[in-house]
Amino acid sequence: DAGVIQSPRHEVTEMGQEVTLRCKPISGHDYLFWYRQTMMRGLELLIYFNNNVPIDDSGMPEDRFSAKMPNASFSTLKIQPSEPRDSAVYFCASSDQGNTEAFFGQGTRLTVV
Amino acid sequence: AQTVTQSQPEMSVQEAETVTLSCTYDTSESNYYLFWYKQPPSRQMILVIRQEAYKQQNATENRFSVNFQKAAKSFSLKISDSQLGDTAMYFCAFMKRGMDTGRRALTFGSGTRLQVQP
Repeated sequence: DAGVIQSPRHEVTEMGQEVTLRCKPISGHDYLFWYRQTMMRGLELLIYFNNNVPIDDSGMPEDRFSAKMPNASFSTLKIQPSEPRDSAVYFCASSDQGNTEAFFGQGTRLTVV
Repeated sequence: AQTVTQSQPEMSVQEAETVTLSCTYDTSESNYYLFWYKQPPSRQMILVIRQEAYKQQNATENRFSVNFQKAAKSFSLKISDSQLGDTAMYFCAFMKRGMDTGRRALTFGSGTRLQVQP
């Protein structure tokens, strides 16, 4: 398996634009997580899904952020409109019910100017 | 809520030496998992070692071992025979244990940047 695949690796966008980050989890994994990493706040959970259903979205900063998982092999994190304070590295991770290890993607570095 | 504290923002060690990274946590849970993740400059998050809180024996993985003190809520990572490739950010993380789907997220500490010097 190729591991968790995120796209794009880097994204630079202007303030006010819509940004969509994409994630393909490891096949067979039933948990999918979105984390955000910043210097100020470290690694923080945004939202996670089990079997495509959102379980905990308490970390989603505000209504500008939304996440979907339309099927077991794809998830998106959307920011609309984007702001400079959204600049961060966004990680997607997946795991399965029988294993506590979370496998992370390479992350998307988002820069909002 | 759980909190994880890493009090050493940066550490340095000579190649082939041993270094210990500290982590403390706070929780009201009795069953949980603790992890150390490594983040090299490539940005990839890699699991280094995992400890199940109900196991008294400290986990080991080759050159990596932990000192788990449940009563003190302490979980330190020891790296023996440090190698240049160990240079990375190291994150301590906590996860509740149980089959409930609401218990699977990781809570991370702020990280320790380790530099291995040649």
